[in-house]
Amino acid sequence: RKEVEQDPGPFNVPEGATVAFNCTYSNSASQSFFWYRQDCRKEPKLLMSVYSSGNEDGRFTAQLNRASQYISLLIRDSKLSDSATYLCVPLWTGTASKLTFGTGTRLQVTL
Amino acid sequence: GAGVSQSPSNKVTEKGKDVELRCDPISGHTALYWYRQSLGQGLEFLIYFQGNSAPDKSGLPSDRFSAERTGGSVSTLTIQRTQQEDSAVYLCASSSGIGSYEQYFGPGTRLTVT
Repeated sequence: RKEVEQDPGPFNVPEGATVAFNCTYSNSASQSFFWYRQDCRKEPKLLMSVYSSGNEDGRFTAQLNRASQYISLLIRDSKLSDSATYLCVPLWTGTASKLTFGTGTRLQVTL
Repeated sequence: GAGVSQSPSNKVTEKGKDVELRCDPISGHTALYWYRQSLGQGLEFLIYFQGNSAPDKSGLPSDRFSAERTGGSVSTLTIQRTQQEDSAVYLCASSSGIGSYEQYFGPGTRLTVT
């Protein structure tokens, strides 16, 4: 099983919609998670850190399900500017030096 | 404050030549990472520096790749005898150090080997 698995998408949603992505991880010892967004031909930018069961920042909510080993990212009221690839990055401190980045989920928000 | 900076932003080189890529981390960040990303692929870890500790070089794909970090700040990634498969975007990230794992990325260097 891959360390991180995400549906590559693309998820095509209209502006204003709510969209959710799931990310499954293989290491049950994963302690924390990060969501990064990466625009086309740009560097990843940190979107959100999740150190407990979840986190919320404006229109973005992350929820962690440790029993099922997945973390989700919910985006409400989607904007055109939300179009990007969203990368789920689990952390376990045993390998803190090597965050494992998957290929992410691509979101395309349309008019 | 200033983010992570990298230079050059683009580099085109001929196969067989050596290249040096530079990374300037966020001031005060003790941890520095190099990754590379090929088109349509995820990030591939290359090397990690933390303070004065020996670097974690486990991700370097071959002995043609090496990196240094001088004075605990600026880092240089060197690729010797470049090959076409080395073409990728090389990304540098830094974090504030032990106990903090959030990484902040520079804009990358796009390397093209012809």
